[in-house]
Amino acid sequence: QVQLKESGPGLVQPSQTLSLTCTVSGFSLTSNSVHWVRQPPGKGLEWVGAIWSGGSTDYNSALKSRLSISRDTSKSQVFLKMNSLQTEDTAIYFCTAYLRWGQGVMVTVSS
Amino acid sequence: DIVMTQTPSSQAVSAGEKVTMSCKSSQSLLYSENKKNYLAWYQQKPGQSPKLLISWASTRESGVPDRFIGSGSGTDFTLTISSVQAEDLAVYYCEQYYDTPLTFGSGTKLEIK
Repeated sequence: QVQLKESGPGLVQPSQTLSLTCTVSGFSLTSNSVHWVRQPPGKGLEWVGAIWSGGSTDYNSALKSRLSISRDTSKSQVFLKMNSLQTEDTAIYFCTAYLRWGQGVMVTVSS
Repeated sequence: DIVMTQTPSSQAVSAGEKVTMSCKSSQSLLYSENKKNYLAWYQQKPGQSPKLLISWASTRESGVPDRFIGSGSGTDFTLTISSVQAEDLAVYYCEQYYDTPLTFGSGTKLEIK
């Protein structure tokens, strides 16, 4: 069955770069898109961006200048990189595919 | 962007009661070529990721109790819990996957009296 798992650092300093990995199983990255969604503590869900089955990407317009999503199909991994992090980027970051979600990784931006 | 408006923001009910929550989209989620509505409902319990309950507006996910019922088409959608149980305490979100950016309702927090 479809499974996703996020990994990455829990604490990032302001102005630094966030790097997250989503490892998937149960499907091929060349057959379906993977999306990143984030949720600030106690708040709702915000779409961050996606990488499509063909490898093209789509980004939240408010984050586009700071964001990059890529993948390694041989390892079934999708990568998110976001630079110039601020405190308002503190959130749980989820990856999702086929409407199934990973467990999420809490990212705190703080010095 | 497609705006998703979810109401109410919270609701308190007693176990055994029926509850309904609404989700309205700013444009139709019905794709004419396949006659499918690109609308999902999720349940999120504290400390957990969203769990898919309903896809295509009315298709219950395998293993989801049949008290969860999704209905609606076009721009108006409803999630009904026919007889609320204590374990249904959660926040419920609708999501449109008709187009990017994917967008979500603001959630309905279900509280058990």
